[in-house]
Amino acid sequence: NAGVTQTPKFQVLKTGQSMTLQCAQDMNHNSMYWYRQDPGMGLRLIYYSASEGTTDKGEVPNGYNVSRLNKREFSLRLESAAPSQTSVYFCASSEALFLQPREYSNQPQHFGDGTRLSIL
Amino acid sequence: QKEVEQDPGPLSVPEGAIVSLNCTYSNSAFQYFMWYRQYSRKGPELLMYTYSSGNKEDGRFTAQVDKSSKYISLFIRDSQPSDSATYLCAMTNYGGATNKLIFGTGTLLAVQP
Repeated sequence: NAGVTQTPKFQVLKTGQSMTLQCAQDMNHNSMYWYRQDPGMGLRLIYYSASEGTTDKGEVPNGYNVSRLNKREFSLRLESAAPSQTSVYFCASSEALFLQPREYSNQPQHFGDGTRLSIL
Repeated sequence: QKEVEQDPGPLSVPEGAIVSLNCTYSNSAFQYFMWYRQYSRKGPELLMYTYSSGNKEDGRFTAQVDKSSKYISLFIRDSQPSDSATYLCAMTNYGGATNKLIFGTGTLLAVQP
């Protein structure tokens, strides 16, 4: 069972270049998320998709776009990469966005292993 | 001021020690508290989950929440080298639970054999 798969694992870009980070999950989850992780800042939510066909901004959406291609796939696009976007990007998925307390322990967010992106 | 504060460490302990990891938070609306473990070059994985105040135990791990002090803790008993990882606290602050989490910055733990 692969869980959440992110591609690529590593990428180096030049300022101004564009690229799309891919994420796919095989757990039939409804909700998917994109985070960035930076030293001293922790994990910050960029965008999320509560269900297929919907996307919403998180805490740090500027400079990014997302597409929920289908239930399995959620991509993150950098249209014009900037050095400030150098980070480790994590995709996650969960059964649902809204939960009852008794449900949470069985329905946490499952994370991929990240894409390490450097922008020169 | 960040909503969630966590000492980044690193914290180095000998094998067998009791480890205490902590987070403080400022938003009194937080109700759901989690601890994630993240090994090097891997994604976070859920370790413990607690709803509201109180303690929860799972094997060598105990999570505590003190809402009056806005303080949460994770205790690891009989620590092992395999526990060496970054530990992230996370919490959510909505009237109903959602999966939109606020994370701490993580504490790097090294357990020396």
